[in-house]
This record gives sequence, C-alpha cells and structure tokens, in this order.
Amino acid sequence: NAGVTQTPKFQVLKTGQSMTLQCAQDMNHNSMYWYRQDPGMGLRLIYYSASEGTTDKGEVPNGYNVSRLNKREFSLRLESAAPSQTSVYFCASSARTRSTDTQYFGPGTRLTVL
Amino acid sequence: GQSLEQPSEVTAVEGAIVQINCTYQTSGFYGLSWYQQHDGGAPTFLSYNALDGLEETGRFSSFLSRSDSYGYLLLQELQMKDSASYFCAVRDQSASKIIFGSGTRLSIRP
Repeated sequence: NAGVTQTPKFQVLKTGQSMTLQCAQDMNHNSMYWYRQDPGMGLRLIYYSASEGTTDKGEVPNGYNVSRLNKREFSLRLESAAPSQTSVYFCASSARTRSTDTQYFGPGTRLTVL
Repeated sequence: GQSLEQPSEVTAVEGAIVQINCTYQTSGFYGLSWYQQHDGGAPTFLSYNALDGLEETGRFSSFLSRSDSYGYLLLQELQMKDSASYFCAVRDQSASKIIFGSGTRLSIRP
C-alpha cells in the first residue's frame, strides 16, 4: 500500500519547455488534487477532480492542464513552462466520512524553471 | 468566499505547551482540519473537528467553536521534532475543494 506516489521527484526545465507530472493513489479515493507551494508559503490549489471523469479549476489554474486518467491517476501538465512556475508541486487524494476529512499527500515534485 | 487566518510564526520552549489559533470565514462549514509539514516534506494530517469541542490525539489536541468561527491546535510536552509548519484547512461551500491557511511556523528552543 504505497499511498500517493508522484513522479518525478525533481525536475529542471528551460522556459517554454513542457512536461507532465504524474500522480497515482492506491486508496480507492474519489477526489484528487494538485497544489503548488512556493517557499515559505501555504498550499494553493491548482486543479482538482471530485470523481473520475471530472476536473475543475482551483485558485491558480493558469498555465496548467490536468487529466484524470482513471480513478487512480491524476496528471498535471505544464504546456510552456515559465520561471513563475518554479515551485514544489503536491498531489493529494482525500477520504471524507462523517467523523473525518483527511487529505493524503504525495512526496512532492520540486520543479525549477530557468 | 473562504479565508483562514493563523499566525505566521510561534516560538516555544521544549517541554512547554503551545496553542496555534485559526479563524475562518466560509459560506458553508464542513469541519476544520490541521496538518503538519516538516521542512522539505509533505503535509500530513493531524486532526479534524466537525463539531464544537476538543479532540485529543496523544500530545496533540484540537478545539473548535463554530459560533466563533475559531479553532486551535494545542501541542503539549513539546519536543524538538515538533518544529514544523502547521496549517488549518476547511472545505469551500461546494464541499469539493479544500482551502488551506498560510501556515504557522513553530520554532522550539531547548
């Protein structure tokens, strides 16, 4: 039971390059999320998927696209990277019941755009 | 819209007790969560309050007052390993997405 996994762990891009960040969860959760975290800052929601087949914009969606490939996988794509997208990216999935509301985070992808 | 406010930094002494406050504004309320994040790591879930009162989990407790739109995280018997950032979080009015506070950095002195 790996929880939430993300690849790659580190990436350096040049301005204008594209890349896809991969995320997978093995906890059978319906909801998945992509956040970015800039140094010394909180988590800002980029996109989320409440269930397989649906995606919605979060607080900072510009410059990103997502795909909910199946229930397990939720990928984030940067079509044309910019230095302002240098950040740590976290994927998460969530389990919500009457008594708890828990987000499980992946280890993060540290992205630098030169 | 939704917003959460928490102090940016708190300093405490090893072995002491510290309280981290969080006030929130939401259109609908589905509960208040707390997360811990060590430098270089990912956030991990600590506690959740859906109803008023205190929830205790070992050295950590979390309190909620829905009438005051206020909650806090209480850490007792502080250890050096508790040095981390702590985030409060709520769901937005659609209940689909989760909004995080900007975080409180807890520094512990020997």
